[in-house]
Amino acid sequence: KNQVEQSPQSLIILEGKNCTLQCNYTVSPFSNLRWYKQDTGRGPVSLTIMTFSENTKSNGRYTATLDADTKQSSLHITASQLSDSASYICVVTVTSGTYKYIFGTGTRLKVLA
Amino acid sequence: EAGVAQSPRYKIIEKRQSVAFWCNPISGHATLYWYQQILGQGPKLLIQFQNNGVVDDSQLPKDRFSAERLKGVDSTLKIQPAKLEDSAVYLCASSLDITDTQYFGPGTRLTVL
Repeated sequence: KNQVEQSPQSLIILEGKNCTLQCNYTVSPFSNLRWYKQDTGRGPVSLTIMTFSENTKSNGRYTATLDADTKQSSLHITASQLSDSASYICVVTVTSGTYKYIFGTGTRLKVLA
Repeated sequence: EAGVAQSPRYKIIEKRQSVAFWCNPISGHATLYWYQQILGQGPKLLIQFQNNGVVDDSQLPKDRFSAERLKGVDSTLKIQPAKLEDSAVYLCASSLDITDTQYFGPGTRLTVL
C-alpha cells in the first residue's frame, strides 16, 4: 500500500534555531518527492521537488534531502523565523499508468520568539 | 500572475443542506484538482480533471458529491445533502499539466452543523 508518514506530528522551537522534519514513504513506482509549506488558513505552497537521482535541493533556508534507497526524506530549516510557523507536508508522486499524489499528514511547526 | 481563486472562503450550513464551491484555476493550466482537508490531516484528492475530462474520481463520494469543469476552465464542487463529517477545508489546485507542480487556492472552510 502506498503510504507517506511524517514525523514529528508537531514541533515547537525557538526563533533562530534549526530543525529537521522527517518523511518516510512506501511508494512504488516512485517518481518524485515534494515538500509543501501550508500557512494557517491558506493552501499549500511548493518548497522543493526532487527526483530519484537528486539527493539534495535547497530553497533559501530550506534544504530537502532524499535517500531513495531507504525511502526517506528530510526537510531542514536553518535559522528559523516566526514566519516559518506552518504545517509542512511531504508529497510523493507515483507513476503507475497515471500520476498519483500521495500526501503525508504533515508536521505542524511552531516557532516562538 | 494571478493565483488560483476560490469562493466562498467560508460557509456554514446545516446538515442535509446543499452547498457549492467555485474554483478559477491559473490561466492556461490544463489540470485541476479538488481536495478535502480535514483538520490535522493532509489533503485527500476528491477529483482530478484534465481539461474538461475526469482523470480520477475514485475517492469522490458520488452519492452526495459532484463536480464539473465546463469549458475546461472554472470548476464547481457540490455537496448534496451535506453531512456533519463533510466539515473540512476544500482546496482547489491547478497545474500546467498532470506532471507539473500544483498551485493551490486558499480553500473554502465548510462547517456543517
